[in-house]
This record gives sequence, C-alpha cells and structure tokens, in this order.
Amino acid sequence: AQKVTQAQTEISVVEKEDVTLDCVYETRDTTYYLFWYKQPPSGELVFLIRRNSFDEQNEISGRYSWNFQKSTSSFNFTITASQVVDSAVYFCALSEARNRDDKIIFGKGTRLHILP
Amino acid sequence: DAGITQSPRYKITETGRQVTLMCHQTWSHSYMFWYRQDLGHGLRLIYYSAAADITDKGEVPDGYVVSRSKTENFPLTLESATRSQTSVYFCASSESLGSMNTEAFFGQGTRLTVV
Repeated sequence: AQKVTQAQTEISVVEKEDVTLDCVYETRDTTYYLFWYKQPPSGELVFLIRRNSFDEQNEISGRYSWNFQKSTSSFNFTITASQVVDSAVYFCALSEARNRDDKIIFGKGTRLHILP
Repeated sequence: DAGITQSPRYKITETGRQVTLMCHQTWSHSYMFWYRQDLGHGLRLIYYSAAADITDKGEVPDGYVVSRSKTENFPLTLESATRSQTSVYFCASSESLGSMNTEAFFGQGTRLTVV
C-alpha cells in the first residue's frame, strides 16, 4: 500500500537560514507521482511541484529546490534563505498509477516556523 | 466562476444529524476527492471518484457516504454526525494523473463542528 512519511512534525528556523523538509514514501508501483503542497495560515492548499517516478532530475525554482532519490524513496524539499512568508504547513503526497487508480495519499505534514 | 468550490464554508451541527457538504468543479475533471484534515493526522482521504457513478473508499470512509451522479459534483454526506467528525474537509479534483502532467486542485475547505 502507498504511504508517505514526513517525520518532522514541526521545524523552527531563523529567517535567512536554509531548511530541508523530509519526505519518505512507500509504493509497490514502478510508476508513481509525487507532490508537494503548501498550506499557509490562511488555510488553502497551494500546489508547489509534481515529480514523476521516471524523471529523477532535481528541480530548482527560485529559493525552492527538490531532491528526488528513488534509491532511498525520498523526495525532500529545501528552502534556501528562508523568509517569514515561508511559514506554513507543507505536505508531501504520492499517487500510484496502478489501473488508473489515481488516489492521492498525503503525509501528515511538517509545520514550518520562520522566525524573524 | 471557474474552479472548485465547496459549500458551506462553515457548519455547526448536532450529534446524530445528517449533514451534506457540497463540492462543485467547473473543469470537468474526471477525478474528485474528499479529505479531512485533523491536527496530528494531516490530510486523510475519505472517498474518491474516478468518474461519474464510480466511487471508491479511501483511508477513513466509515461514517461517510458519497455520490457522483454528475461529473462536476461530489457531495459528501455524514449520515449521523459524531463529534469525532469535527474537522476541516477539503474537496479536490484532477484529471487523470497518468495521462496528464497535472496536479490536484483543492477547494477552500469546509470547517465542520459537531456539537
């Protein structure tokens, strides 16, 4: 069964520090999709990135970067030079592609506090 | 307006009452999902639907009923609400993730309190 583990429940860092949010997943499928979502204090869920299992390239988007490693079943998210506006709950999610059953399972989330 | 909308945004109900949370999307996405968000549990999948008239249980389906008679609507019913169903409920929709390089789009959430 598919499973997503975000072991860090809560992280606090001082503004301008770098921070990495860990995500470890479990799946029996060879084709699957990974996601990161951000939930700011206002409560909505904001899509950040999707990564397909067959594409192991790491990605950078401004201060955000993602490290996908199939060998360790991890899809970690790093924020460089953090800002107070990065304070949010971050969710990692997984969707398997078996039989077009596209359910998406989320981890428990990591609450990130960026201190001024 | 295009997008995915949930109603109501806030609801207080009494234990034992039936309550229905509505979800409507304008994209004609094939997939729709219901999640509940609770402190310490993150987002947990209640039910999902791959198309009209096709629904499947998620991680925590007990106490909930769904239907999908039209592609654009996916109501979630609590047949006899319990205090443990106090939560924030999110609806989402997506196209088939295997056929399109896309993601799930979420509604703004419904905060349900059962007293």
